Amino acid sequence: GNSVTQMEGPVTLSEEAFLTINCTYTATGYPSLFWYVQYPGEGLQLLLKATKADDKGSNKGFEATYRKETTSFHLEKGSVQVSDSAVYFCALSDTGGFKTIFGAGTRLFVKA
Amino acid sequence: KAGVTQTPRYLIKTRGQQVTLSCSPISGHRSVSWYQQTPGQGLQFLFEYFSETQRNKGNFPGRFSGRQFSNSRSEMNVSTLELGDSALYLCASSPGGGETYTEAFFGQGTRLTVV
Repeated sequence: GNSVTQMEGPVTLSEEAFLTINCTYTATGYPSLFWYVQYPGEGLQLLLKATKADDKGSNKGFEATYRKETTSFHLEKGSVQVSDSAVYFCALSDTGGFKTIFGAGTRLFVKA
Repeated sequence: KAGVTQTPRYLIKTRGQQVTLSCSPISGHRSVSWYQQTPGQGLQFLFEYFSETQRNKGNFPGRFSGRQFSNSRSEMNVSTLELGDSALYLCASSPGGGETYTEAFFGQGTRLTVV
């Protein structure tokens, strides 16, 4: 079945460091791919998305490229801020199942 | 445009009781889905509704049920609460219709604590 695997955390970085959170997926067909972010005490916010191979999603300095050949959708940011501290979820749309399938989440801590 | 609204935000219930959670989707969205989030299991899919019909259900016991009204608002109910039902319950709405399913927009969740 469809699944998402993302790197385990926590990830701890200093402010202005480069961020990469790895995500790979298994899916039949051509799902859309997403990154969601969850701040403490909050629900999930859609951070970015890509709907087809080679699409690059971007938002707030974060980027991820839909790589069909490697079934990956890695999240990157060139310079993180303390305010980026949160849990990040990689996800895919299971169109036939009318649901979103999530990875386990990666907690990011950014130190000043 | 207002986002997904979940009520209440916090609930404390006793084992054996039942609870009803409410979700109002983004205006115009007809698909509503529910997820349970716990530290141990992560985000798990409960069910999805579209035009008052349940189209899919996750692997949860029958104590978990839901429904959707004609205005797309949805409720989920948990009967005979157990300690393990303590979780953040997230509702999401999606603009997809018919056979399509696109990105989900989440509410802030209802934090349920069972004591």
